[in-house]
Amino acid sequence: DAGVTQSPTHLIKTRGQQVTLRCSPKSGHDTVSWYQQALGQGPQFIFQYYEEEERQRGNFPDRFSGHQFPNYSSELNVNALLLGDSALYLCASSSGPYYSYNEQFFGPGTRLTVL
Amino acid sequence: GQQLNQSPQSMFIQEGEDVSMNCTSSSIFNTWLWYKQEPGEGPVLLIALYKAGELTSNGRLTAQFGITRKDSFLNISASIPSDVGIYFCAGQPITGNQFYFGTGTSLTVIP
Repeated sequence: DAGVTQSPTHLIKTRGQQVTLRCSPKSGHDTVSWYQQALGQGPQFIFQYYEEEERQRGNFPDRFSGHQFPNYSSELNVNALLLGDSALYLCASSSGPYYSYNEQFFGPGTRLTVL
Repeated sequence: GQQLNQSPQSMFIQEGEDVSMNCTSSSIFNTWLWYKQEPGEGPVLLIALYKAGELTSNGRLTAQFGITRKDSFLNISASIPSDVGIYFCAGQPITGNQFYFGTGTSLTVIP
């Protein structure tokens, strides 16, 4: 049973570019949450998707957007990249939007570097 | 957003020693979680706490939900080399569904 998978593992972009990160949830999970983890910091909640809609959002600008597909996989898009967007982007999946945190599983993350 | 202060920032201990770390918030939380993150991996949930005063164990790990509901503690007994990693607390305030993470405690165990 595959856990949460994310692609790509590493990515290098330049300022102003756009990036798309992908996440496949653990089998049986239908909710995906995205987090940004800057170096030396804890993860910060970006947003959560359930039933193909954004259900909750953290304190991130509109440059950060997402999508959830019918198969529950999800994309995180970041436009007009800034140097400060360099971070590890984590995806977490769970069953249902109001989940028991015993059942939230994190993927290995995508390391984004903005030059 | 909410600020979670986690201490100590880093720890270097001898194998076999006990470890204590804590997390404090400026507001009341109704859930506390403790995660461990190893290099190249996402955080893994260790212990979840749901009510004030709750004391929960997971093997050599024990965590407590502070009675003020503004803090939580994690203890690791008889540390071993595989305990190495970064330990994060995360909490959910009484208003809202979002979880906030602390800045982490980096643990190094010297064999």
